[in-house]
Amino acid sequence: DVKVTQSSRYLVKRTGEKVFLECVQDMDHENMFWYRQDPGLGLRLIYFSYDVKMKEKGDIPEGYSVSREKKERFSLILESASTNQTSMYLCASKGPKRAEAFFGQGTRLTVV
Amino acid sequence: DAKTTQPTSMDCAEGRAANLPCNHSTISGNEYVYWYRQIHSQGPQYIIHGLKNNETNEMASLIITEDRKSSTLILPHATLRDTAVYYCIVRVAYYGGSQGNLIFGKGTKLSVKP
Repeated sequence: DVKVTQSSRYLVKRTGEKVFLECVQDMDHENMFWYRQDPGLGLRLIYFSYDVKMKEKGDIPEGYSVSREKKERFSLILESASTNQTSMYLCASKGPKRAEAFFGQGTRLTVV
Repeated sequence: DAKTTQPTSMDCAEGRAANLPCNHSTISGNEYVYWYRQIHSQGPQYIIHGLKNNETNEMASLIITEDRKSSTLILPHATLRDTAVYYCIVRVAYYGGSQGNLIFGKGTKLSVKP
């Protein structure tokens, strides 16, 4: 079974904290993605990576950074968490010749 | 990538076919139509994709009009577990390199009722 694993299902952090969200895939996929999902706004792409150390901004990269040091791991970093970053965060991966992307279960982050 | 338009919500009776429409009037010749769904509190799940021919798999059928400006996802016998948000995405066939991103719209919330 293919798997995309996000490190936490629920997370509560304080304003100003540096937050790391980790995502690991076991399918040797080149492409990995970070989305956030908010009620009424759907899924919005934050960043994606198409190879190790390669990254591109999505629609809403402000306040976020990413790291892809190894092919299987894609990290989302909130440099200084703010309350407007309270959201559901979803990680996905996809191979270059595959139609489907595989998603993790999501991390519900609350910033207080 | 071409934009898509879907109804915000739809209802379907359990056991009946659910037909979910998607308009993509600006689709280009090399763009595929993909469908995903997201059941509450889970990550999205791939359903099916196609270019111009109708496609069927164990989950659903995809009907694409001849001019490719619209498509319909068909769940032939909807169950309560099919209640979810369904996303229609149009994107290029080659998704290596920086073309690998997936853009989701707001989707259609399908409610299957007993």
